[in-house]
Amino acid sequence: EVQLMETGGGLVQPGKSLKLTCATSGFTFSTAWMNWVRQSPEKGLEWIARIKPKSTNYATEYAESVKGRFTISRDDSKSSIYLQMNSLKEEDTATYYCTRQLGYWGQGVMVTVSS
Amino acid sequence: DIQMTQSPSLLSASVGDRVTINCKASQNINKYLNWYQQKLGEAPKLLIYNTNNLQTGIPSRFSGSGSGTDYTLTISSLQPEDFGTYFCFQHNSWMYTFGAGTKLELK
Repeated sequence: EVQLMETGGGLVQPGKSLKLTCATSGFTFSTAWMNWVRQSPEKGLEWIARIKPKSTNYATEYAESVKGRFTISRDDSKSSIYLQMNSLKEEDTATYYCTRQLGYWGQGVMVTVSS
Repeated sequence: DIQMTQSPSLLSASVGDRVTINCKASQNINKYLNWYQQKLGEAPKLLIYNTNNLQTGIPSRFSGSGSGTDYTLTISSLQPEDFGTYFCFQHNSWMYTFGAGTKLELK
């Protein structure tokens, strides 16, 4: 059974950092394209980052809204991906989902950016 | 960015009804169009991928069609568990984008 579980969410002040983790199981992680998607009432569903397998040299892509502030990474030995979020803004407040190429999704983790 | 325009934003229907939800892309997306269902408090669930391919485990009352810029999700006979919000999603361009959603509610 494919499983994805996000952790690391919470309340953080504007300008601070937070790191999300997505632990996975039930599929061949090392060849999977992995993504982060977020959802807020204001912006709806928004794809924000993607990381490809080792065969692509772990190529990454980002939405303009997070480029330069967020970093996606992966650890194939742990079947996990990460989202390092720096310089957080109030508009980053959302539920963050980890997905295997938008087919399988985790349950989501809430990030609230507020002073 | 490719913009995805969904319609209607709200749809009221009864059990047994045939319903259609539309999605229009701002440019040709070459059938790289998925449909998702989301219920309150849950993650989106993939129903249909690449326009007309039913995801494993999804009932056959769900179907998709379309090409170019215009796509449709059809539920042939609405069941009680089908109420929720539906999203279209394009993955033709490297920057994926979602529609704003269609809330399907009980009439």
